[in-house]
Amino acid sequence: AQSVTQLGSHVSVSEGALVLLRCNYSSSVPPYLFWYVQYPNQGLQLLLKYTSAATLVKGINGFEAEFKKSETSFHLTKPSAHMSDAAEYFCAVSRSGGYQKVTFGIGTKLQVIP
Amino acid sequence: EPEVTQTPSHQVTQMGQEVILRCVPISNHLYFYWYRQILGQKVEFLVSFYNNEISEKSEIFDDQFSVERPDGSNFTLKIRSTKLEDSAMYFCASSEAGNREGNTEAFFGQGTRLTVV
Repeated sequence: AQSVTQLGSHVSVSEGALVLLRCNYSSSVPPYLFWYVQYPNQGLQLLLKYTSAATLVKGINGFEAEFKKSETSFHLTKPSAHMSDAAEYFCAVSRSGGYQKVTFGIGTKLQVIP
Repeated sequence: EPEVTQTPSHQVTQMGQEVILRCVPISNHLYFYWYRQILGQKVEFLVSFYNNEISEKSEIFDDQFSVERPDGSNFTLKIRSTKLEDSAMYFCASSEAGNREGNTEAFFGQGTRLTVV
């Protein structure tokens, strides 16, 4: 079975400050890991993904995440928060191969304070 | 860029009515999925479909739910007799078959917001 744990259901940062959203995973097989962003009343947008290539993954909108196997973590960071980053962020895990059932975390709502 | 499309974007239905949510997966994909997100909660897996049959389903996917691939392009989720608690955003997704390492992922549609009144 696979699961992800997102630490902090709500995170507040000041505009221009570092964004750090935490995610730890559990998987009995090598995982694929994802971060999705969801704006209010909208669908899921893929920010970035780790699929066993480079451990530091860069995504859209200046976000990046680092896969750390020893810590079973895949934290999402952005050096400088922008007001438009306010949204809900979901960490997710799947396994390699064509069958891509995705297991989502509970989500972290990011608030950006001007 | 190919994408998963879902229709309608929003559907309102009366309790007890049947609803069909429609999805057009990416054309060369062979795995299809439905997920549900109740307002304010996380996205939950409902069911996966491969080779014209259900390959996995969650405990949420009870006898009120069914899926079908009626033709070569559509993938549908039917709820036979809707309940208030079926109100949620429903996401369809699809993925390729095979094991192209590093290149397989599920592509999600924009969702259908179902409101049961």
